[in-house]
Amino acid sequence: GESVGLHLPTLSVQEGDNSIINCAYSNSASDYFIWYKQESGKGPQFIIDIRSNMDKRQGQRVTVLLNKTVKHLSLQIAATQPGDSAVYFCAENRPPLNKLIFGTGTRLQVFP
Amino acid sequence: EAQVTQNPRYLITVTGKKLTVTCSQNMNHEYMSWYRQDPGLGLRQIYYSMNVEVTDKGDVPEGYKVSRKEKRNFPLILESPSPNQTSLYFCASSFLGGLHNEQFFGPGTRLTVL
Repeated sequence: GESVGLHLPTLSVQEGDNSIINCAYSNSASDYFIWYKQESGKGPQFIIDIRSNMDKRQGQRVTVLLNKTVKHLSLQIAATQPGDSAVYFCAENRPPLNKLIFGTGTRLQVFP
Repeated sequence: EAQVTQNPRYLITVTGKKLTVTCSQNMNHEYMSWYRQDPGLGLRQIYYSMNVEVTDKGDVPEGYKVSRKEKRNFPLILESPSPNQTSLYFCASSFLGGLHNEQFFGPGTRLTVL
């Protein structure tokens, strides 16, 4: 079946280290992917997106990598800070209906 | 401030008592959607709307209704709530088309049905 999933449910990192959160997808026709951050008690917040005609996209302290060959997506957070502690979701966007398929999420814990 | 708002934020009700959760966005988005979030199941789409008077079922529509009479509002209606509809609900909106049509989410409504 079609799915978007995450490899690890919880990721613990030390403050200042880099974090890498992974995501696998199975629909090779998908052409748009989004990473969301969800803090406790809040709605998902957009972090960064990438289209399938790109391999890499960078934002402020975040980088998303897309490997279409193995249907893998990753979110890299540089110099992880306590404020980065949250659940991170990758989502597969399927035009033209703008339907988002979410993975179950990875909890990122940042230790001092 | 560009945002999606939901009301109420918290609601405790009893089985069978009709309720409505409102959703409003001020970004002139065509697309709006409702999700529920449950532990271990992630976010699942209930209903969505591509524009005014255009709505369609998502993955888990049973027990819910929606309407889209105005572009900015997309209420979620539970005609006869049941305990299995206890969940955290999110409304989201976005533009359609374009290079970046990420969905913006509201703050969530935590519903408990006794």
